[in-house]
Amino acid sequence: AQKITQTQPGMFVQEKEAVTLDCTYDTSDQSYGLFWYKQPSSGEMIFLIYQGSYDEQNATEGRYSLNFQKARKSANLVISASQLGDSAMYFCAMREVNDYKLSFGAGTTVTVRA
Amino acid sequence: GAGVSQSPRYKVTKRGQDVALRCDPISGHVSLYWYRQALGQGPEFLTYFNYEAQQDKSGLPNDRFSAERPEGSISTLTIQRTEQRDSAMYRCASSLEYLAGNSDTQYFGPGTRLTVL
Repeated sequence: AQKITQTQPGMFVQEKEAVTLDCTYDTSDQSYGLFWYKQPSSGEMIFLIYQGSYDEQNATEGRYSLNFQKARKSANLVISASQLGDSAMYFCAMREVNDYKLSFGAGTTVTVRA
Repeated sequence: GAGVSQSPRYKVTKRGQDVALRCDPISGHVSLYWYRQALGQGPEFLTYFNYEAQQDKSGLPNDRFSAERPEGSISTLTIQRTEQRDSAMYRCASSLEYLAGNSDTQYFGPGTRLTVL
């Protein structure tokens, strides 16, 4: 069964606007971690933000914030004030308790328009 | 400090040849992971090392794939008798120590793009 679902294969956003990338996950564990990574066209995999399942506040990291809704099992990434350099593929990933590997979604491609 | 490095960045080989992909993790990182990423997909787990011990190789597709990390630092992923279906991006990641908890962040290298002709 798919553990991470990203339903938006591609999105366009106007420069300086905010964009929300959807991510839902499936786990029976109470303790888990959620991660977002950015993959630009150059191919690197860049860590953006982390949310722990027990964290009461939504994670924020600069222009990135995570809208964590535990009951709905969703961990959406919000990018505020989009920049041209934000054009990339974005992956949501989960690490379950007592596990070490990350399970990734299929990714969402974001294209920022000037 | 330096991030995770991988070499070569690109490898083109003929079917049936063996290839060795190298990963140099972030200094001090105990945990090392190999993933494989098909075009347009997310990475998929291959194997995991804690220091020099290979703790999990459940993601390796078959016995043509092997990995080692003999001194607990640099790791090599070897694919024997390559096949066209092995073509993919192979990514290495390292983290401080997975036992540190769910927040233990994996940092990825740039990957090796393998093409088997």
